[in-house]
Amino acid sequence: DAGVIQSPRHEVTEMGQEVTLRCKPISGHNSLFWYRQTMMRGLELLIYFNNNVPIDDSGMPEDRFSAKMPNASFSTLKIQPSEPRDSAVYFCASSQDRAADTQYFGPGTRLTVL
Amino acid sequence: QQQVKQSPQSLIVQKGGISIINCAYENTAFDYFPWYQQFPGKGPALLIAIRPDVSEKKEGRFTISFNKSAKQFSLHIMDSQPGDSATYFCAATADYKLSFGAGTTVTVRA
Repeated sequence: DAGVIQSPRHEVTEMGQEVTLRCKPISGHNSLFWYRQTMMRGLELLIYFNNNVPIDDSGMPEDRFSAKMPNASFSTLKIQPSEPRDSAVYFCASSQDRAADTQYFGPGTRLTVL
Repeated sequence: QQQVKQSPQSLIVQKGGISIINCAYENTAFDYFPWYQQFPGKGPALLIAIRPDVSEKKEGRFTISFNKSAKQFSLHIMDSQPGDSATYFCAATADYKLSFGAGTTVTVRA
């Protein structure tokens, strides 16, 4: 099993640019989560999808952030326009069902906005 | 605000020693308490977990102790090894939502 796959692993961009992060969950998992990790705020849940439908986006910081899950094997997190305070590690995680008992995390995307 | 409070922020232990990390929570709706281990450059990975109807769970060198009345739980790493050097996060769940503690960086000196 390849685990959760994220791309790119590192992204450096200029303020104001659009950034798209990608995630492929584990096959057969129907729940997908996007998290952000920073030193100041730790691990924060941004958005949760179940069966490709966004269930909880209360953690999305502002309208500059959007996420989609067009099918069971692919999700994107987009930031437009990006700002320096968006610099963080973004993780995608998936689980087999709605309950958060075991979430499998990807390796993360380290985003730096200059 | 963090729903799960974790301490200490960091600890250093000698090889073969015991590492202890403590967590506390307030939300009585939490029904599952996992610990995640994270190595630099990697995502968190589930290490061990406990449900509130059990007071202790042991898996190899890792033990969770759970005190429901005090709303506290802790991770003990016995016979700590250099390969255990990582950041450890306690967490608590209600439905799909994982609430993480701030993390403890453990360094095991050889």
